[in-house]
Amino acid sequence: AQSVSQHNHHVILSEAASLELGCNYSYGGTVNLFWYVQYPGQHLQLLLKYFSGDPLVKGIKGFEAEFIKSKFSFNLRKPSVQWSDTAEYFCAVNAGATNKLIFGTGTLLAVQP
Amino acid sequence: AAGVIQSPRHLIKEKRETATLKCYPIPRHDTVYWYQQGPGQDPQFLISFYEKMQSDKGSIPDRFSAQQFSDYHSELNMSSLELGDSALYFCASSSREGGQPQHFGDGTRLSIL
Repeated sequence: AQSVSQHNHHVILSEAASLELGCNYSYGGTVNLFWYVQYPGQHLQLLLKYFSGDPLVKGIKGFEAEFIKSKFSFNLRKPSVQWSDTAEYFCAVNAGATNKLIFGTGTLLAVQP
Repeated sequence: AAGVIQSPRHLIKEKRETATLKCYPIPRHDTVYWYQQGPGQDPQFLISFYEKMQSDKGSIPDRFSAQQFSDYHSELNMSSLELGDSALYFCASSSREGGQPQHFGDGTRLSIL
C-alpha cells in the first residue's frame, strides 16, 4: 500500500532561516507528488507538484521541491522563510487510475519574527 | 477564478442525527473527492466520483453515503452520527484529463455534541 512519511512534526524557525521539510513515500510505480499548505483555519492550497520531467520543481511563494527517485523522497525547501509561512505543510502522493491523494501526517511550521 | 464551494461551512449536530454536506466543483472538473480531517490529523480519503460514478472508496463508514449529480455537484450523507465524526470534511475537484491536481474547498466543520 502507498504511504507517505513526514519526519518533522513540528519545526520552529526564525525569519530568514532556511527551510527543508522531509517527505518520503512508498510506492513502486509511477507517482505524482504534491506539497499542500494549510494556513490556520483554511483549506489546503497547492504549493507545487511533480508529475514528470525536471526533478526540481518550483512552486508558489518561493518554495521548491526536489524529487529523488532513488531515495523515494520529495523534500520541500525555501531559502528564507517569513512569518507568513507559519502553517501546516502536507506532502501527498497519488498513483493509479483514481488519483486519490495519500497524505503524510503533516509538519507544523512556526516562524518566529 | 472560481473555486470549489462547500456548504455549509459549519454544522452542529447531536449524536444519532443525520447530516448532508454539499460540494460544488470547479466548472469543467469531472472528478470529486471527499476527505475527512480529524483534529490534528492528516486528511483521509473517503470516496471519489468520476462522471457521476463512484471511482474509488477509502475509509468511509457504512453510515455514510455519497453521490455525484448530473451537474457534477456532490453530496455526502451521514447518518447515525457519532462523536468521532467531528472533523473537517474537505471536498476537492479535478479534471481527470492529464492527471490534474486536486483543488480543495474551504471545508465543512462538523461538530457532534
